[in-house]
Order: sequence, then structure tokens, then C-alpha cells
Amino acid sequence: EPEVTQTPSHQVTQMGQEVILHCVPISNHLYFYWYRQILGQKVEFLVSFYNNEISEKSEIFDDQFSVERPDGSNFTLKIRSTKLEDSAMYFCASSSAETQYFGPGTRLLVL
Amino acid sequence: GQQVMQIPQYQHVQEGEDFTTYCNSSTTLSNIQWYKQRPGGHPVFLIQLVKSGEVKKQKRLTFQFGEAKKNSSLHITATQTTDVGTYFCAGRRNNNDMRFGAGSRLTVKP
Repeated sequence: EPEVTQTPSHQVTQMGQEVILHCVPISNHLYFYWYRQILGQKVEFLVSFYNNEISEKSEIFDDQFSVERPDGSNFTLKIRSTKLEDSAMYFCASSSAETQYFGPGTRLLVL
Repeated sequence: GQQVMQIPQYQHVQEGEDFTTYCNSSTTLSNIQWYKQRPGGHPVFLIQLVKSGEVKKQKRLTFQFGEAKKNSSLHITATQTTDVGTYFCAGRRNNNDMRFGAGSRLTVKP
């Protein structure tokens, strides 16, 4: 069964550093998403992406965040200058219609 | 902005007991989805409800969408240890933006 993959599974970085989280959505899907989940808390929507542009973003998704689909298969989330409070699990998801399929997540730890 | 409230936050039941989690939205939803997240895992889609008053069943799970399309519930009959996890509702308005509830964490004592 096709699945969403994410790399790395874990990332540790220093505050102020840039990180790029990688996702490979399911191949025939058209909608892509990033979510984050702070440990023990709810899943929070960050951004949705369709037709090579952002279709919706939340208040969390400020100027420090950006997304890109550089080569037609990967979907990346960049955090320009990480803060301690960016430490969380970041989930990528993709969908062809309504059902979203989540990847296994990248656990980001900012020190 | 849109808020999705979910209760209870935690529920511990004896195996065989029932469990219900409720979601309420501050705005009318176009649809609502339910996800299950096992400890250490990622959210897994369970079901989507679209129509006002809709009821759907998956084995021991019953999902309902309110008449006003602002609330929803998930009821598990006769819980089993495999039901352990956090159940999230996620409501969507008429755009691509989905808002998750805080989740209801279910633990089951065998």
C-alpha cells in the first residue's frame, strides 16, 4: 500500500539554525500538508499546498516557515531560524480528495 | 478563528465498557474527520462525515455528525485493548483548512 515517507525521523538542531524537513507524498496525490504536534498535545495545522502554491496557512506558519515542492516528488518544510518552541513532531500528509494520509513524522528537537 | 473543542481529554475504561468522545465546533463545518493515533504513532484516518445528521458504523465504532454540522461524536462499544490510543476529530470548513480537536486519550484496562 502506498504511504507517505518522511526524513529524517529525528533531527536535533541548535536554536537559530535552519532545518529542512523532507516528505515524499503518495505519488498520485495532489494536496499536501504540514502539521505539527508538540509532545502530548493536539495536532496543529500549519499549511496546505496545491498546484504548486500555498492554498491555506495557519497563524503558526509565519515568515520563519516556508514550503517547497522542488522536484515533483518531494515536499519540504523549511524553518529558517529555529526557536526552542519549534520542538515538536512534524507530520506531512497528502491526499487526492478528502482522506489525508499522514507520514510517520519527524521529531525535531531545538536546543 | 475556528475552534474545535473535544472532550473528554482522558478516559480510562475497563475492557468491555463503552467509550464516547465528543467534538464541538464554533462554526458550521463542511465535513468532519476522525483519526486514531496510537502511542508513538501518527494519525490514521478512520472516517469522514459530510451530511447533516449522518451516522456511520465501523464494527464497534459509531460516528455521528450533528444536524447543525457543528458537533460530532465517536462511540466505541465494548472496548478492547486494541482500542487504546488518542482519538482526534478534525473539522473542515469550506476550504482546505482542517482544525483538529485536542484529542481524547483512551486507555483500556484488561
